[in-house]
Amino acid sequence: QITLKESGPTLVKPTQTLTLTCTFSGFSLSTSGVGVGWIRQPPGKALEWLALIYWDDDKRYSPSLKSRLTITKDTSKNQVVLTMTNMDPVDTATYYCAHRPGDGGKPGYFDLWGRGTLVTVSS
Amino acid sequence: SYELTQPPSVSVSPGQTARITCSGDALPKQYAYWYQQKPGQAPVVVIYKDSERPSGIPERFSGSSSGTTLTLTISGVQAEDEADYYCQSADSSVTYVVFGGGTKLTVL
Repeated sequence: QITLKESGPTLVKPTQTLTLTCTFSGFSLSTSGVGVGWIRQPPGKALEWLALIYWDDDKRYSPSLKSRLTITKDTSKNQVVLTMTNMDPVDTATYYCAHRPGDGGKPGYFDLWGRGTLVTVSS
Repeated sequence: SYELTQPPSVSVSPGQTARITCSGDALPKQYAYWYQQKPGQAPVVVIYKDSERPSGIPERFSGSSSGTTLTLTISGVQAEDEADYYCQSADSSVTYVVFGGGTKLTVL
């Protein structure tokens, strides 16, 4: 059974760097084709894809946020970490991590999601 | 940057057929996916690779593609289908993921 759980601060100040961790179980990020992505959703608004990391350490970023994002993986700990620099109140959102299944070409889609974590940016 | 366009809202009566569209220039070249999101919950994929239905998703959900337009069809809509629906695909260079703006399905 695949599960994912997001963790990190619930409140950050403007200009700070956000670090979120996705801890997962039921799959390995060393398995060919597999990936983990991050998606966010501001309150009452649409989903926005942020980043995706694959089993082969290929990393993809949203073009509009690329300069602020870094995604890394720790296969031994079953964790994926997302950092976002220079946080602003408009970055207030629920941040989800999600499993990218191993079938099909890149970038792919997300078949299982964590519950999400709400991050508020405010001074 | 690349965009997927969805109608903001669709309304249907119970038992009728709901059709939600998603348009994008690269859709003829890329697979597309549909997610259902109910209030306070994470999204759930209801269609993958344009028209495949994951196990556990009711048969009333189906997907189709024609040119630059995708369609999610929900036949015999039930009250429990009221949710936000998002399409997702990739840009033409297969570099990044794109979500549509979402469609709120209201069951009257």
